[in-house]
Amino acid sequence: GAVVSQHPSRVICKSGTSVKIECRSLDFQATTMFWYRQFPKQSLMLMATSNEGSKATYEQGVEKDKFLINHASLTLSTLTVTSAHPEDSSFYICSARESGGIETQYFGPGTRLLVL
Amino acid sequence: DAKTTQPPSMDCAEGRAANLPCNHSTISGNEYVYWYRQIHSQGPQYIIHGLKNNETNEMASLIITEDRKSSTLILPHATLRDTAVYYCIVIEGKLIFGQGTELSVKP
Repeated sequence: GAVVSQHPSRVICKSGTSVKIECRSLDFQATTMFWYRQFPKQSLMLMATSNEGSKATYEQGVEKDKFLINHASLTLSTLTVTSAHPEDSSFYICSARESGGIETQYFGPGTRLLVL
Repeated sequence: DAKTTQPPSMDCAEGRAANLPCNHSTISGNEYVYWYRQIHSQGPQYIIHGLKNNETNEMASLIITEDRKSSTLILPHATLRDTAVYYCIVIEGKLIFGQGTELSVKP
């Protein structure tokens, strides 16, 4: 099946710093990638939809200037959490949808962010 | 908001079939039903999807009622490794996750 990777798998940073998370589709091209956030004991919450070569579409309540998304190629999308604060600590998960395919999305393993 | 309703939790004995129900009474004619599962601290894993017909793959079977208002995911021989949260999702161009069903497979 289609494989999506994320890097890093976990990161600890100080409050006020920025953190970049990479999402790659390893064996297929993805025109569209999605970023989710999951807090403990809660379901996944969609943050934004990332389309290759265009600006991301953010869900209501998600600050686009805080969560910068870049989808520069058909296999790579990045999420940068700018000026991270402890309340940004969460599990961040990306997914990718194959170009020209149906709706099936394949998920990465997630990145656990802890902001001290 | 998610367009599906699932029981919050279910138990299943190891080796038995696990039948996970899902209601999607407001589904429209061209919307697919997708099932994913999430094992603790991992990304969701795609299981199966369907539109109208029943579907089967190496992981599970999906039974969709004729009126498409509900479906059942069947894991034919559940193992301890099938313990996870199972999400039934009606695609709206993007996956919107509800609370899912926490399936516990017990020895």
